[in-house]
Amino acid sequence: DTEVTQTPKHLVMGMTNKKSLKCEQHMGHRAMYWYKQKAKKPPELMFVYSYEKLSINESVPSRFSPECPNSSLLNLHLHALQPEDSALYLCASSQGGQGIYEQYFGPGTRLTVT
Amino acid sequence: AQKITQTQPGMFVQEKEAVTLDCTYDTSDPSYGLFWYKQPSSGEMIFLIYQGSYDQQNATEGRYSLNFQKARKSANLVISASQLGDSAMYFCAMREIADKLIFGTGTRLQVFP
Repeated sequence: DTEVTQTPKHLVMGMTNKKSLKCEQHMGHRAMYWYKQKAKKPPELMFVYSYEKLSINESVPSRFSPECPNSSLLNLHLHALQPEDSALYLCASSQGGQGIYEQYFGPGTRLTVT
Repeated sequence: AQKITQTQPGMFVQEKEAVTLDCTYDTSDPSYGLFWYKQPSSGEMIFLIYQGSYDQQNATEGRYSLNFQKARKSANLVISASQLGDSAMYFCAMREIADKLIFGTGTRLQVFP
């Protein structure tokens, strides 16, 4: 089973709202990722969690706040977003550790900020 | 400097024909991995195939094969016997030592009957 699930599938939020995106995997992977993808562009890495610790933050604005409650779950908390933050947010997981392993992606959350 | 280059913004192929999607990369790291992903209009990124820098053989997965030419730093994806369901965006990606996947700009493949 190579499934990564994400909820919600679609989200519309105002600039003053607080919302959260959720991601879950049950493959025993120890690395989890958040990517942002604008239309007609490749995904851009935002955050990496390795063994439940934040290992990479690609200078993402503080209005995005990641959280990894356990090895299967990854959240992205959103607060005071801007319209330019509207995008597809993809979660991924991989085996983690020293080797180079493929990342498996979820279906994404399409976020619209109004 | 761009690390992954996909020079074909769009490609057309007739059903049942083979198609090659180009990818070149740039790295000074001896240890790296190359990946191809398919992204249909639904948005999900689907892992297709992986090639490690030390792998002696070209990777194959069903109808997908990776033409890995290390000296030329190219990792082209070959799709044999194209199907209508292969129409999608295809991304080449590379990972070096740090746990970061770097994507190319993608190639949109359209398969016609």
